[in-house]
Amino acid sequence: DTEVTQTPKHLVMGMTNKKSLKCEQHMGHRAMYWYKQKAKKPPELMFVYSYEKLSINESVPSRFSPECPNSSLLNLHLHALQPEDSALYLCASSRGQGVNTEAFFGQGTRLTVV
Amino acid sequence: AQTVTQSQPEMSVQEAETVTLSCTYDTSESDYYLFWYKQPPSRQMILVIRQEAYKQQNATENRFSVNFQKAAKSFSLKISDSQLGDAAMYFCAYRSGNNDMRFGAGTRLTVKP
Repeated sequence: DTEVTQTPKHLVMGMTNKKSLKCEQHMGHRAMYWYKQKAKKPPELMFVYSYEKLSINESVPSRFSPECPNSSLLNLHLHALQPEDSALYLCASSRGQGVNTEAFFGQGTRLTVV
Repeated sequence: AQTVTQSQPEMSVQEAETVTLSCTYDTSESDYYLFWYKQPPSRQMILVIRQEAYKQQNATENRFSVNFQKAAKSFSLKISDSQLGDAAMYFCAYRSGNNDMRFGAGTRLTVKP
């Protein structure tokens, strides 16, 4: 199994809603990532979890709250988002912290904030 | 800070021909990896090829090969015998020991039949 599975694939939410994005991998990877990708732009790193601990937070607003319940799951909790937060949210995982480990990506969640 | 630059927003190639996508990067690190990822309309980022900074030999994966010039900090991707399925956004990426991966702005490749 070399898949990273993200749910839902599409999400429309109002600015007062609370929702969560989910990411799952069963490759035994110990590093997991959240990226945000705006249209026609590269992915921008948001968070990195290494061995279920948050190791990188790229100054992301607190309305985005990551959670890593176990080594296979990564969540992104969303609250009070703004329309400019509409984007493709990509989850990725890699074997570990090694520089030579490639990242495997999910298909993303297309988020629209109305 | 590390930066990755792709100077070609769009490229076009005729089916069965060869195309080269450019990437340069800036770093003071000695140990790092470079990657090319492909993102088709399905949105999923797919690894195409990777290169370790310590290896002088250029990486090759079937029709995909790189020209890695470490001194020039250049990492171009050559696609031979282009196929319609190669049409996608291509991102050059850099990864060093702090466990994150940085992407260039991307090059949109169109393959003409």
